[in-house]
Amino acid sequence: DAKTTQPNSMESNEEEPVHLPCNHSTISGTDYIHWYRQLPSQGPEYVIHGLTSNVNNRMASLAIAEDRKSSTLILHRATLRDAAVYYCILSAQRGGGFKTIFGAGTRLFVKA
Amino acid sequence: GEEVAQTPKHLVRGEGQKAKLYCAPIKGHSYVFWYQQVLKNEFKFLISFQNENVFDETGMPKERFSAKCLPNSPCSLEIQATKLEDSAVYFCASSPLGTDSSYEQYFGPGTRLTVT
Repeated sequence: DAKTTQPNSMESNEEEPVHLPCNHSTISGTDYIHWYRQLPSQGPEYVIHGLTSNVNNRMASLAIAEDRKSSTLILHRATLRDAAVYYCILSAQRGGGFKTIFGAGTRLFVKA
Repeated sequence: GEEVAQTPKHLVRGEGQKAKLYCAPIKGHSYVFWYQQVLKNEFKFLISFQNENVFDETGMPKERFSAKCLPNSPCSLEIQATKLEDSAVYFCASSPLGTDSSYEQYFGPGTRLTVT
């Protein structure tokens, strides 16, 4: 199965942009790239997803490399509330349904 | 409901005892997933259901773990004869039916199982 690789942790200053990288070199053609984040003592929360094209929503942007072997989650202006563990996940089609493949996540620290 | 509900919030069991966790998916969602999260943050996929049918159970330690999703009932995850290494937070997630894998999963708040 394909897997994702992320840095263990990253640090950012408040109000600055944050770029969280993810490598998924063994991704398959139909696998979607999802990002979730987990705040302390909560379940993961959906952030964004994409297949081939870059995506924007109210929370973040997702930049996907042309060969799809890597992607970057972009938080345009980090706030203290963005401090969380960010997971880059592949959502893979298998046998008529789908399964999710979690990586270890990146813990984002945001400094005031 | 509009949120995935999990009960209980905390569960403490002595080693060898049975543990049963419950999950009510969002109404209308066809997929249910169970994950185990231990201290390292990493999520281990356990099992998924498409409606009441097991879709993928490749992550389940079958000798002690079982799960069901029956119509008109919460889904359940049962661990017979718990071991210390089963201590973790167990998350349930649900997702709407789709023809591809683009659908987001909605996670519940988790059940923290402590085996003593």
